[in-house]
Amino acid sequence: ELKVEQNPLFLSMQEGKNYTIYCNYSTTSDRLYWYRQDPGKSLESLFVLLSNGAVKQEGRLMASLDTKARLSTLHITAAVHDLSATYFCAVAHPFMEYGNKLVFGAGTILRVKS
Amino acid sequence: DGGITQSPKYLFRKEGQNVTLSCEQNLNHDAMYWYRQDPGQGLRLIYYSQIVNDFQKGDIAEGYSVSREKKESFPLTVTSAQKNPTAFYLCASSIFTLSNTGELFFGEGSRLTVL
Repeated sequence: ELKVEQNPLFLSMQEGKNYTIYCNYSTTSDRLYWYRQDPGKSLESLFVLLSNGAVKQEGRLMASLDTKARLSTLHITAAVHDLSATYFCAVAHPFMEYGNKLVFGAGTILRVKS
Repeated sequence: DGGITQSPKYLFRKEGQNVTLSCEQNLNHDAMYWYRQDPGQGLRLIYYSQIVNDFQKGDIAEGYSVSREKKESFPLTVTSAQKNPTAFYLCASSIFTLSNTGELFFGEGSRLTVL
C-alpha cells in the first residue's frame, strides 16, 4: 500500500530564512507532484517531477526527486509572506491501470512571519 | 476558458438526506476524480473514472456513489449511509496517457455541512 509522509506538518518561518519540506513515500513510483492550497481554496499545481534526479524551480521554491530514496524535497529560499499556505506532496500509484491515482501527504502548513 | 466547475460551492444537508455535488470539465480530459478533505488533513480519494461509463472505488468510497455518463461530467452523490459527510469535496481531472505528466487539475471545491 502506498503511503506518503510529509514533515514537518507545521512550519513557522521568519522572512528571509531558508527551509526544506520533506516528502517520503513507501513504494516505488516515478511521478510526484507538489501542490499549494490557500485557506478555503482549491489546490494549485506547483511542480511535476517525473524522473529520478528531477529538479524544478519557480521563484523562491525548488523541488527535487530521489526515486531511489523515495524522497522529494521542497526547498524555500528567502521566504516571503506570500508563501504562507499549505503545501502538499502527492505520489502517483505505480500502476497505470489505476489511472493517475494520487496519494496525498497530510500537508505542511507554512506561516512566514515578518 | 477551460476549467473545472463544481457546484454548489456551499451546501447544507440534514441528516438522512442524499445530496449530489456537480463536477463539469471542458478540458477534454479522460480521467476524473473525487477527493475529500477534512480540516488539517490531506486529500483522500473517493472515486475515480478513466473513461465514460466506467469508474472505480477509491480509498473511502463507502456512503458515496458516482456516475460517468458523459466525458465532461462526474457527479458525486453523498448518501445517508455516509456517517460523517461534513467535509470539503474536490473534483479533479487529468489526461490519461502514459506519455502525459498525469497532472491533476482541481475545481474550486464544494463545502458540505451536515446540520
